[in-house]
Amino acid sequence: RKEVEQDPGPFNVPEGATVAFNCTYSNSASQSFFWYRQDCRKEPKLLMSVYSSGNEDGRFTAQLNRASQYISLLIRDSKLSDSATYLCAVNQAGTALIFGKGTTLSVSS
Amino acid sequence: ETGVTQTPRHLVMGMTNKKSLKCEQHLGHNAMYWYKQSAKKPLELMFVYNFKEQTENNSVPSRFSPECPNSSHLFLHLHTLQPEDSALYLCASSSRQGVSVYEKLFFGSGTQLSVL
Repeated sequence: RKEVEQDPGPFNVPEGATVAFNCTYSNSASQSFFWYRQDCRKEPKLLMSVYSSGNEDGRFTAQLNRASQYISLLIRDSKLSDSATYLCAVNQAGTALIFGKGTTLSVSS
Repeated sequence: ETGVTQTPRHLVMGMTNKKSLKCEQHLGHNAMYWYKQSAKKPLELMFVYNFKEQTENNSVPSRFSPECPNSSHLFLHLHTLQPEDSALYLCASSSRQGVSVYEKLFFGSGTQLSVL
């Protein structure tokens, strides 16, 4: 079983839609969780951390479900500029981040 | 601009060449990383340096040789590479590795490497 798994997509949605991605992780000792955004041929950039109680940043909401070992990212009111690949990343104490393959989102007008 | 600068942005090399990738961070961080990103694969951790000491080598072939002369600079020396080594090589930094689980990584723009 892969350590961090994501549905690669692509998710094709119209502007204004709400879209959600899940990411599952295999190591129950994982302690920190992040969502990164990567545009084509660019470096990943931190989108948001994921906290145990869930957290929101504008149109983006991240959730953590420790029991089922997954994190989610919800994007409301999708914009064309949200088109990108979304990477989830997890780690535990003393280790570097492990990334999923990413989920590709395409928002169209 | 993330404060992590990588050069060159693109590199084409033959299998017998020797080249080096350079990374410099201006964030005052103490941990630096090399990741490899191939098509259809997740980011793969290669090496980690914490306070100039290598703390992780993720079973990387010896044709990749890292060097970290100080906390701000990281190199990846390449020698006798194979075509399957063609990928995007990303450098990243964080304040300290292994101390807090909430370490955030900041990436450079990457070097797109093609091995012919």
